[in-house]
Amino acid sequence: AQTVTQSQPEMSVQEAETVTLSCTYDTSESDYYLFWYKQPPSRQMILVIRQEAYKQQNATENRFSVNFQKAAKSFSLKISDSQLGDAAMYFCAYRSDPPDSWGKLQFGAGTQVVVTP
Amino acid sequence: DGGITQSPKYLFRKEGQNVTLSCEQNLNHDAMYWYRQDPGQGLRLIYYSQIVNDFQKGDIAEGYSVSREKKESFPLTVTSAQKNPTAFYLCASSPSSTGRNLGYTFGSGTRLTVV
Repeated sequence: AQTVTQSQPEMSVQEAETVTLSCTYDTSESDYYLFWYKQPPSRQMILVIRQEAYKQQNATENRFSVNFQKAAKSFSLKISDSQLGDAAMYFCAYRSDPPDSWGKLQFGAGTQVVVTP
Repeated sequence: DGGITQSPKYLFRKEGQNVTLSCEQNLNHDAMYWYRQDPGQGLRLIYYSQIVNDFQKGDIAEGYSVSREKKESFPLTVTSAQKNPTAFYLCASSPSSTGRNLGYTFGSGTRLTVV
């Protein structure tokens, strides 16, 4: 079974600065998907960014970008120009390539991002 | 607008009672999932369903049951056999578990507390 590890329980960043969240995973598969989800205090889960393992190019969504290192099984999230609205719990998640996986997501324990003015 | 509706938002259960959490989606998604969230443990999969009338146990299915009689609905029952049911429960769906590059759409969750 795949495992997802987020080693930073909490990260603090000042407004307008950059913060990087780490995520590592363990898998023997060659094709899979990786996601970062954001959970603000409302507890609504919001998809931030996703990456297909077969793509070498790192995904980018506005101020959010990833550093995907397939050989190292690492998938870090960089938040640039941090805003107060970025304060939330961030979860890294892994999904095997179907059909064997039934589309299940495996989540890490989460990293709490605190943004200070 | 399409989405997933979970109800109720807060639920209180007495010892020995069964309670049912509702999850309804109007996204025409095939696959649906139930996750449990506890502090410091991320989300753990309880049950999942790919099609109507079919579902599979996840990592922590003991003490829970589900049904999938309609594509839109995937209710979760927390039975008296679940020894520590106090948690936040999230329902999710995706277009197809066999499709590529698919993330989930989540509901807003139900907070269950044993009193």
